[in-house]
This record gives sequence, C-alpha cells and structure tokens, in this order.
Amino acid sequence: SQKIEQNSEALNIQEGKTATLTCNYTNYSPAYLQWYRQDPGRGPVFLLLIRENEKEKRKERLKVTFDTTLKQSLFHITASQPADSATYLCALNSGYALNFGKGTSLLVTP
Amino acid sequence: DSGVTQTPKHLITATGQRVTLRCSPRSGDLSVYWYQQSLDQGLQFLIQYYNGEERAKGNILERFSAQQFPDLHSELNLSSLELGDSALYFCASSAHGGSSTNEKLFFGSGTQLSVL
Repeated sequence: SQKIEQNSEALNIQEGKTATLTCNYTNYSPAYLQWYRQDPGRGPVFLLLIRENEKEKRKERLKVTFDTTLKQSLFHITASQPADSATYLCALNSGYALNFGKGTSLLVTP
Repeated sequence: DSGVTQTPKHLITATGQRVTLRCSPRSGDLSVYWYQQSLDQGLQFLIQYYNGEERAKGNILERFSAQQFPDLHSELNLSSLELGDSALYFCASSAHGGSSTNEKLFFGSGTQLSVL
C-alpha cells in the first residue's frame, strides 16, 4: 500500500539553527511533491512544490530536495525563528488525489 | 486568508444524526477537495470534485457523500454519525485539479465536528 512517512517525534531546535525534516514514501511514482505548514486549529498552507525532475528548490530560508531514487524529500529551514514553530506536512499526488503525511512538529526555542 | 470559506466552524451533534458541511472555493477555482483530520490518522483525503463532477475518491465511508453545485460550492454530508467521526474536516480548492497538474491547494479553516 502507499505510505508517506514523516518523523512523528517533534523536532526541537534552537533559534538560528537549521531545521531538517524528512519525508519518505513507498509505492508512489509522484510527478511532484509539496510541503505545507499547519498551525494549530488552522488549515495547511502551501510552502513549496518540487517536480520529479528537480533535485532542489529554494524559497527564501526554505530549501527542499527530492530524491526519487531514495524516495525521499528533505525540507530545510535555515536561520530558524520561533515563528517557524508549526507542523510541516509533505504531500504526494496519486492520480488526482493529493495525499499527506502525518506531519512533523517543529518547535524553535529562543 | 486563503479565500476558501467553510461553514460552520464548529458542529456538535449526537450519534446517529446527519450533518452537512459547506465549502465555498476561492473565486475562479474549479476543483474542491475534502479532507478529514484526526490526531491519530493525520490528514486523510476523502473526495475531489472538478467543475461539478466527482474526480477522485479516497478513504470516504459509504455513510459520507459529497457534491459540487453549479456555482462550484460543495457540501459534505455525513450520516449515521458515530463517535469516531469526530474530527476536523477541511475543504481545499485549486484552479484545475488535474492529475498532470502540479497545483497547490488552498485550505479553508475547517469545521470541527464533535459527535457525542
């Protein structure tokens, strides 16, 4: 069956450090992968999309890599800030559907 | 503000009842998606509509049904409610929603359903 796995343990880091979140998948042949941010009680908000033929994508302090051989994406937040504290979800397309991982909670402390 | 409107924000009902959740997509978006989010299951895809037609189905129970109307708003109907149906239900929209597209989704703020 198809699976999207993200680290269920919360990631605690100090302000200014780089946070790295992992998304692994099985039984998908995704054309693209997306990352979303979700704050408590709110809907997910789109952050970045990376296509299967792209190795890396950047947007301001965010960087995403996509390795279709390893079936893995890494999401980096550089110079992290307390405002970056949230749950981060990766999502993969399966036909018309967009399926999400359970997310990794990130806490950035001053 | 994502531009996606969901009503009501909160819904409290009893087991066995039926409820309707409503979603208005962003202006111009043709595709609507419904998701269920619970603590243990994460964000689960239920169903997608594109311009009034069902396009994709996920883990949606037979007790649940949805439709998209000509004005593109969508409703999710949940019947014979059980305690386990308590969850946050999200609607999202995108411009087209085709499988070959790589569109981002815009999510509403959700409807918190509590079945007592």
